[in-house]
Amino acid sequence: NAGVTQTPKFQVLKTGQSMTLQCAQDMNHNSMYWYRQDPGMGLRLIYYSASEGTTDKGEVPNGYNVSRLNKREFSLRLESAAPSQTSVYFCASSDLTGGGDEQYFGPGTRLTVT
Amino acid sequence: AQSVAQPEDQVNVAEGNPLTVKCTYSVSGNPYLFWYVQYPNRGLQFLLKYITGDNLVKGSYGFEAEFNKSQTSFHLKKPSALVSDSALYFCAVRGRSGGGADGLTFGKGTHLIIQP
Repeated sequence: NAGVTQTPKFQVLKTGQSMTLQCAQDMNHNSMYWYRQDPGMGLRLIYYSASEGTTDKGEVPNGYNVSRLNKREFSLRLESAAPSQTSVYFCASSDLTGGGDEQYFGPGTRLTVT
Repeated sequence: AQSVAQPEDQVNVAEGNPLTVKCTYSVSGNPYLFWYVQYPNRGLQFLLKYITGDNLVKGSYGFEAEFNKSQTSFHLKKPSALVSDSALYFCAVRGRSGGGADGLTFGKGTHLIIQP
């Protein structure tokens, strides 16, 4: 099993450009998440999807949109990138049968917006 | 709102000595608590979790953590540190309300440095 995969690994955008970060999991998990990691701030939840067909905002959703394409895939879109969105983005998934299930993380996408 | 505090940005320990990485939390009701480790340029790896039951939880790579409800703490411990334990460690919490499908709330992370 590949676990959680993310593409691309690195990306440089100019302010105002758009892009989509892709995430897929092969563990048949119900729930998927997008976090951003900034130095000294830990990870902050952007959006999550409790199950196929549902998405909800997390702590820092502004400037982002998501799509739960199917049970495996959960994409994150930046419509008009801003320098404040320079960050490392992590996708995660969990089975969430009872709330106490751990999340499994992808390797991350390092995004720089100039 | 739930929150996690990791009061130390960095912890330095000599190889072979015991280590402790501190974590306190705030959440309504009983928590789910987690520890993750991140090596440079990698994603987060799950170490251990507390759901219910025994307050001492054992996890991967010889790590353990003690849940203390009265002090709202979940400190990570290891009896004998290895140089390979050097990494960034995150404590995380999820409350038990709202169906549990929402994400984790993470602390800011603690750099653990094990000196040979």
